[in-house]
Amino acid sequence: DAGVTQSPTHLIKTRGQQVTLRCSPKSGHDTVSWYQQALGQGPQFIFQYYEEEERQRGNFPDRFSGHQFPNYSSELNVNALLLGDSALYLCASSLTGNFYEQYFGPGTRLTVT
Amino acid sequence: GNSVTQMEGPVTLSEEAFLTINCTYTATGYPSLFWYVQYPGEGLQLLLKATKADDKGSNKGFEATYRKETTSFHLEKGSVQVSDSAVYFCALRASNTGKLIFGQGTTLQVKP
Repeated sequence: DAGVTQSPTHLIKTRGQQVTLRCSPKSGHDTVSWYQQALGQGPQFIFQYYEEEERQRGNFPDRFSGHQFPNYSSELNVNALLLGDSALYLCASSLTGNFYEQYFGPGTRLTVT
Repeated sequence: GNSVTQMEGPVTLSEEAFLTINCTYTATGYPSLFWYVQYPGEGLQLLLKATKADDKGSNKGFEATYRKETTSFHLEKGSVQVSDSAVYFCALRASNTGKLIFGQGTTLQVKP
């Protein structure tokens, strides 16, 4: 049973560029959440998707957007990258209504130069 | 607003020592509380959870009790091993939301 998978593992982008990160949830899960983890900090909630719609959003600007596909996989898009967007981006999946068990992927390390 | 505060790290212990990592929270209503662990180069793994006051979560020798009167959820282990070296995060989930709010993390280093 595959857990949560994310791609790519690492990414280097230049300021002003756009990036897309991908996440496949654990088998049987239908809800995907995205978190940003800056170096030495705890993860910060970006948003959550269920039934292909954004259901909750944290305190992140509109440059951060997402999408969920019919197979429950998800993408995180960040436009107009800033140096401060450099972080580990974590995807977590769960089954709707069971938020006691959120499974995290290994993350994508984004470096903005 | 809701928030989680953890003790500053790093915490350095010798193998077989007793571990306590303090965690306090601020929340309205009745949140669920969690401890996650992050090993080097990896994502977060759920270590244990408690969903209501006085619940004790436990896993792999780690324990934490949900204390509503002191708004705390301290992590303890009676005898740590080198393999326990990692970053530990305390987190809460408010009622009716899937959003996790994390503390800043506490690095644990266990020396042989």
